[in-house]
Amino acid sequence: GEDVEQSLFLSVREGDSSVINCTYTDSSSTYLYWYKQEPGAGLQLLTYIFSNMDMKQDQRLTVLLNKKDKHLSLRIADTQTGDSAIYFCAESPEGFQKLVFGTGTRLLVSP
Amino acid sequence: DAGVIQSPRHEVTEMGQEVTLRCKPISGHDYLFWYRQTMMRGLELLIYFNNNVPIDDSGMPEDRFSAKMPNASFSTLKIQPSEPRDSAVYFCASSRTGDSPLHFGNGTRLTVT
Repeated sequence: GEDVEQSLFLSVREGDSSVINCTYTDSSSTYLYWYKQEPGAGLQLLTYIFSNMDMKQDQRLTVLLNKKDKHLSLRIADTQTGDSAIYFCAESPEGFQKLVFGTGTRLLVSP
Repeated sequence: DAGVIQSPRHEVTEMGQEVTLRCKPISGHDYLFWYRQTMMRGLELLIYFNNNVPIDDSGMPEDRFSAKMPNASFSTLKIQPSEPRDSAVYFCASSRTGDSPLHFGNGTRLTVT
């Protein structure tokens, strides 16, 4: 079955780098996604990576994809207190319409 | 653009009552999705529509749940009768095309006592 796994919690200090990890199950996913959820809000798409790429960089965000190990990571450089949120990875085994979300990683950034 | 708009933001009801959640997608978006978020099960896709037509409702938990999209700018998710285990945050999302990102609303927090 489909199961996207993430660690539940990550705590970092402001200015440090954060790395959030995710393992997914379906190698047929065309895209893999990272979403951010702030308290009381819906999910906001942060970035995504095409499955034939190894890395994607977007300002402070770096996504690494290891297809062999089915491992996806999100690195946030110079983490700020405003980055505190829950981060979800998602795969698309049946196309974008049926995204399978991970359990979410709660990132806490302390001053 | 105002984004995806959901109402109400919070709903508290008693077991057995009917609950109706509402969603207005972003104008011009052809796809609309209903998700449910709980601590135990995370985010689950309940149903999605394309051009107002339900495409996949395999995630709808049981017959007590129904969803409609009478026009391109409005959708409802109804639970009748509601049960305490339906307590969750329900999200609506929309996307422009079949391969564009989802835009989520802020959700409706449902509590059934």
